[in-house]
Amino acid sequence: AQTVTQSQPEMSVQEAETVTLSCTYDTSENNYYLFWYKQPPSRQMILVIRQEAYKQQNATENRFSVNFQKAAKSFSLKISDSQLGDTAMYFCAFMKRSSSNTGKLIFGQGTTLQVKP
Amino acid sequence: GAGVSQSPSNKVTEKGKDVELRCDPISGHTALYWYRQSLGQGLEFLIYFQGNSAPDKSGLPSDRFSAERTGGSVSTLTIQRTQQEDSAVYLCASSRDRGTAYEQYFGPGTRLTVT
Repeated sequence: AQTVTQSQPEMSVQEAETVTLSCTYDTSENNYYLFWYKQPPSRQMILVIRQEAYKQQNATENRFSVNFQKAAKSFSLKISDSQLGDTAMYFCAFMKRSSSNTGKLIFGQGTTLQVKP
Repeated sequence: GAGVSQSPSNKVTEKGKDVELRCDPISGHTALYWYRQSLGQGLEFLIYFQGNSAPDKSGLPSDRFSAERTGGSVSTLTIQRTQQEDSAVYLCASSRDRGTAYEQYFGPGTRLTVT
């Protein structure tokens, strides 16, 4: 079974600063996806960034980038130039990639990020 | 519609009553997923539908939970004889098909409170 662990329940950062959220996972699979989702108070989960395990290059989306360490099973999210609108709960998630894939996302416990003005 | 919609937004019910939660996926999306977000269990997968194939019900927590998807579009999650531990936010997501499951779009959820 796969598990995802986020060890930081809460974090805060000053506006315009950089913050890194941690995530580790456990799996015996070799082919999978990793995700970071953002959940603002509106409750709607928004995909921030996605990484395919077979790609060595770290994914980047504007101010968001990841540090994917496959051997260490680590997948951290770096937010640069933090903005007030980044305040939200962030979830790390895992999905197995296979021909019989049912798209089941396995989530970590979440990290609440507060960006302070 | 432009995105996944869910209704109602909030639902308060008495213990022992049945409730129905509705999900409208993005038009043309054949894959649909239900997740539950609760304080005790975090975010967990409940059920997956793909077109007319048999659903993956492996995440349903008990036989009080059931879901159906009529006409390959709208889905209803039914909880019978609700219990206080059923209180949670129920999230629905859809993707274009099974092959694009890595791109799930979520609705705003239904917050269920069982009193």
